[in-house]
Amino acid sequence: GAGVSQSPSNKVTEKGKDVELRCDPISGHTALYWYRQSLGQGLEFLIYFQGNSAPDKSGLPSDRFSAERTGGSVSTLTIQRTQQEDSAVYLCASSFDGASTDTQYFGPGTRLTVL
Amino acid sequence: QKEVEQNSGPLSVPEGAIASLNCTYSDRGSQSFFWYRQYSGKSPELIMFIYSNGDKEDGRFTAQLNKASQYVSLLIRDSQPSDSATYLCAVTPSNDYKLSFGAGTTVTVRA
Repeated sequence: GAGVSQSPSNKVTEKGKDVELRCDPISGHTALYWYRQSLGQGLEFLIYFQGNSAPDKSGLPSDRFSAERTGGSVSTLTIQRTQQEDSAVYLCASSFDGASTDTQYFGPGTRLTVL
Repeated sequence: QKEVEQNSGPLSVPEGAIASLNCTYSDRGSQSFFWYRQYSGKSPELIMFIYSNGDKEDGRFTAQLNKASQYVSLLIRDSQPSDSATYLCAVTPSNDYKLSFGAGTTVTVRA
């Protein structure tokens, strides 16, 4: 079946603009994760959604970052007033039910460049 | 101390040799351990997972877990040029679901 999809694949924006990144998880997966991968920082957790539970936002780096998941499926990560340090690859992953033993499958990522 | 640490690379091995990748983690209660492979410009893809102490083999890949030593490793036997990539060790800490990743080890297999 189809894997995790993300759009856009690349986004170039000017400092101070808002951006929206989209993630479509694997059908039937109830858990969805956002990670960020930047040079020298490795992969870091941002936010986690599981079913109808309140999301775990503990990894969001600032209040300029927010995310929502509509209808338990598609998720949007929004970055307001982008800064150059936001430049990174934003990766979305999904898993069947969010258990610690669950395998997370990653999408192709969105490469964000803030000029 | 970082939650997950991997041996520094890059690691260069000749074709047909064994590549050995190491990973240590700080949370003794960690439950699940994953190895992801990431080609340049691509997203991570799962190679193996391991939950119990001991060895787990899948084709040319063997994962080894030693919870007492808080150590997990990945062996790649008969290394091929197509194995050239960055290998990421990922751990789910106790009672958690989000992955903590190591910085990755870049492997280059010389033809």
